[in-house]
Amino acid sequence: KNQVEQSPQSLIILEGKNCTLQCNYTVSPFSNLRWYKQDTGRGPVSLTIMTFSENTKSNGRYTATLDADTKQSSLHITASQLSDSASYICVVSAVYSSASKIIFGSGTRLSIRP
Amino acid sequence: NAGVTQTPKFRILKIGQSMTLQCAQDMNHNYMYWYRQDPGMGLKLIYYSVGAGITDKGEVPNGYNVSRSTTEDFPLRLELAAPSQTSVYFCASSYSLSNQPQHFGDGTRLSIL
Repeated sequence: KNQVEQSPQSLIILEGKNCTLQCNYTVSPFSNLRWYKQDTGRGPVSLTIMTFSENTKSNGRYTATLDADTKQSSLHITASQLSDSASYICVVSAVYSSASKIIFGSGTRLSIRP
Repeated sequence: NAGVTQTPKFRILKIGQSMTLQCAQDMNHNYMYWYRQDPGMGLKLIYYSVGAGITDKGEVPNGYNVSRSTTEDFPLRLELAAPSQTSVYFCASSYSLSNQPQHFGDGTRLSIL
């Protein structure tokens, strides 16, 4: 069964600290993995996209890693800011010959405290 | 550019009523999607479209209908509202199906009472 599991469900850290969010997936055949940031009351916004051959992708203070062998990804946030408070969603795509399947994780809710 | 625009932002319906959630994008994307997001759950795909005149069911299509008469617009229709359809609905669009990001609207919060 295609699944995307994220951990932790929620996380609270102090402003300026680093943190790492985890994503494990069983989606097959794998096409790409995306991380989205979703602010409260807003739609998700894309942070990174990684294909099978990529194992690291950065977007400012956000760095995503992918281990396609173990089917794991992480999102590392450096020097957190109050504006990083949001839900972070891991999304994995499988592409078949005539269709595509996109599986969303349930997200990690991150709170940054001053 | 406005990106993906959804209307209304909030709506309360009575059981059995019908309504249409509007979605428009100005990025000339061929691919458009409707999702629902329930509390503590991942987004679930309701319907998607790969171009004007072409739509297909997603994971949870029951109780919904869509149409795609233009590239820009992708409305979602609820015919007989039920409490189980209380959710936040997101519309998204993308340039391609695989390695391009989806651009999301800010959602429609729908309550069925």
